[in-house]
Amino acid sequence: EPEVTQTPSHQVTQMGQEVILRCVPISNHLYFYWYRQILGQKVEFLVSFYNNEISEKSEIFDDQFSVERPDGSNFTLKIRSTKLEDSAMYFCASRNTRQSHGELFFGEGSRLTVL
Amino acid sequence: AQTVTQSQPEMSVQEAETVTLSCTYDTSESDYYLFWYKQPPSRQMILVIRQEAYKQQNATENRFSVNFQKAAKSFSLKISDSQLGDAAMYFCAYWAVMGSQGNLIFGKGTKLSVKP
Repeated sequence: EPEVTQTPSHQVTQMGQEVILRCVPISNHLYFYWYRQILGQKVEFLVSFYNNEISEKSEIFDDQFSVERPDGSNFTLKIRSTKLEDSAMYFCASRNTRQSHGELFFGEGSRLTVL
Repeated sequence: AQTVTQSQPEMSVQEAETVTLSCTYDTSESDYYLFWYKQPPSRQMILVIRQEAYKQQNATENRFSVNFQKAAKSFSLKISDSQLGDAAMYFCAYWAVMGSQGNLIFGKGTKLSVKP
């Protein structure tokens, strides 16, 4: 069964460093998402991406964050200069059609630890 | 703004028994979807069940069913004949139909343990 894959599963970085989290969505999906979950807190929406551009983003998704779909298969989240509070589990998700409301397929997550 | 609340951080059920997980939400929209997602330990979140707000009939999916009370903004999940594999984190989520590409709004989750 097709699935969303994410790498790395765990990354430890120093504050101020750049981090790139990678995702390979399901191949025929059209909508892509990043969510994050700080330990003990809710899963929060970061950004959605459709037709090679950001379609919606939350207040969390500030100028330090960017997303890219460089080659038609990967979908990346870049954090330019990490802060301690960026430590979280980051989930990538994808969706097939506009009619598949809310039926997202999630990856296993990338745990980011900022020291 | 829409919010989703899960008031039970942890629940426990005996194998083969029935358990109900609670969820309430707040919205001013009339058209939306509600979901329960399951996240087993170290695995990805998967969709368990979905409910369209315009449908009065409660959704069912094998051993999983919901009790959707639109006026009360309540959306509970019932798991019948619980199995060890049901042990997971369960997230209630809301999706607004109107707007852009939409995004899921999650509750904090309920950790379900299943005792053999």
